[in-house]
Amino acid sequence: AQSVTQLGSHVSVSEGALVLLRCNYSSSVPPYLFWYVQYPNQGLQLLLKYTSAATLVKGINGFEAEFKKSETSFHLTKPSAHMSDAAEYFCAVSFPITGGGNKLTFGTGTQLKVEL
Amino acid sequence: GAGVSQSPSNKVTEKGKDVELRCDPISGHTALYWYRQSLGQGLEFLIYFQGNSAPDKSGLPSDRFSAERTGGSVSTLTIQRTQQEDSAVYLCASSWGPSGRVADTQYFGPGTRLTVL
Repeated sequence: AQSVTQLGSHVSVSEGALVLLRCNYSSSVPPYLFWYVQYPNQGLQLLLKYTSAATLVKGINGFEAEFKKSETSFHLTKPSAHMSDAAEYFCAVSFPITGGGNKLTFGTGTQLKVEL
Repeated sequence: GAGVSQSPSNKVTEKGKDVELRCDPISGHTALYWYRQSLGQGLEFLIYFQGNSAPDKSGLPSDRFSAERTGGSVSTLTIQRTQQEDSAVYLCASSWGPSGRVADTQYFGPGTRLTVL
């Protein structure tokens, strides 16, 4: 079975500081990995995804993530936090299901707080 | 262009009543998914549609839950005889891909917050 684990349910950083949100995966096959962001009372918005084309993936809003097979990790980073980055972040792994679809299995989420 | 829309945004119902939640996917997306987001269980997959067919219903928690999709577009998730444990945010997502691909991005709607009293 495939799964993801997000370490740290809450992360707090100062504005301008580095953001690091951790995600480790478990998969018996090469994984497809996603990071989504959820702002209050909104749905999930894709930040970036890893599909084996490149290990360093750049996403929207200055975020990027690096796939490290040896560490089974896909951590999300941003060099300089902005107040608008405060939200909940979800790591997810995708795998095929009956009928040609793909099911996302999500981590438990990390709430990012950005302080002045 | 228009994203995934869901209605209602909020629904409060009494225990034992039936509810219908609606999802309007992005035009042209053939794959449609329902997920549930609750405090105790996090984000869980419920059901997947390809066109009007639902080849994977494995995430539906009980036979009180059902869903349909008509015209390859709008989908309705129905919960019969609602229970308090059904309280959650129900999210709909759609993706491109007539046959579905593992790397396809799923685009999510804003969700319906269901509260069962």
